[in-house]
Amino acid sequence: AQKITQTQPGMFVQEKEAVTLDCTYDTSDPSYGLFWYKQPSSGEMIFLIYQGSYDQQNATEGRYSLNFQKARKSANLVISASQLGDSAMYFCAMREVSGGGADGLTFGKGTHLIIQP
Amino acid sequence: KAGVTQTPRYLIKTRGQQVTLSCSPISGHRSVSWYQQTPGQGLQFLFEYFSETQRNKGNFPGRFSGRQFSNSRSEMNVSTLELGDSALYLCASSFGTGREAFFGQGTRLTVV
Repeated sequence: AQKITQTQPGMFVQEKEAVTLDCTYDTSDPSYGLFWYKQPSSGEMIFLIYQGSYDQQNATEGRYSLNFQKARKSANLVISASQLGDSAMYFCAMREVSGGGADGLTFGKGTHLIIQP
Repeated sequence: KAGVTQTPRYLIKTRGQQVTLSCSPISGHRSVSWYQQTPGQGLQFLFEYFSETQRNKGNFPGRFSGRQFSNSRSEMNVSTLELGDSALYLCASSFGTGREAFFGQGTRLTVV
C-alpha cells in the first residue's frame, strides 16, 4: 500500500491566489515526520516545511503552512499569495522515526503546480 | 553556510561501465542518504549513512553501493550500468534523523 498519496497530479492556479496541495499518509509508527519539498525544473529538491507527529501546532514557514490533521492522516501544504516562481513539482514525504529513521524518506508521486499570470 | 554539493552534475556513461557519484553534506551534518528519481518510479530511497555506517538500504540490486568517509562526505557507486539506471540521483544531508533533510542539486546520469 502507498504510504504517501498525493491525489492531484497537476494544478493550475491564478497568481496571488492561495493554493492547497493535498497529502495523505499511512503509517503505524507513532513517531514520524512529514516533509514538503519543491522541485523546480532544474531538479534540485528544496526543503519547504516540516511537521513532527507530536508537534501540537501546525508548522509555518513564511508563505508556507502545513495543515496537519493527525486523525485523518492528512498533511496538506498551503501556499498563500501564490507567485509565478511557485510553479514547480511539489512532493510530500514521510520519515518513520521509531526504527531510527534509517529507512529514509518515502515520497509521494508529486503535484505539478502551475501558476498563471 | 554551504549547502549540499553533488558532483558531477551530469554524466553520460555506456552500458556495462561503472560510475561513482559524490556528495558533500552540509557542515556538521553526519547523515547522508541517497535517492534515485525516474519518471516511472518516482523518488526511491537507495541507502543512508550515518557516521560512516550504512544504516539501511532500499530495494536495489547489489550493483548499487556506497560509502561514507570520516568527514561525512559520501560516494555512491553503480557497477555494470544498465539503461534503466538513467536517472537523477539525489543526495540528502541531515544532522541526524532530525527535522530537516536538505538535498543537493543532483547528478543526472544518462546510460547509453
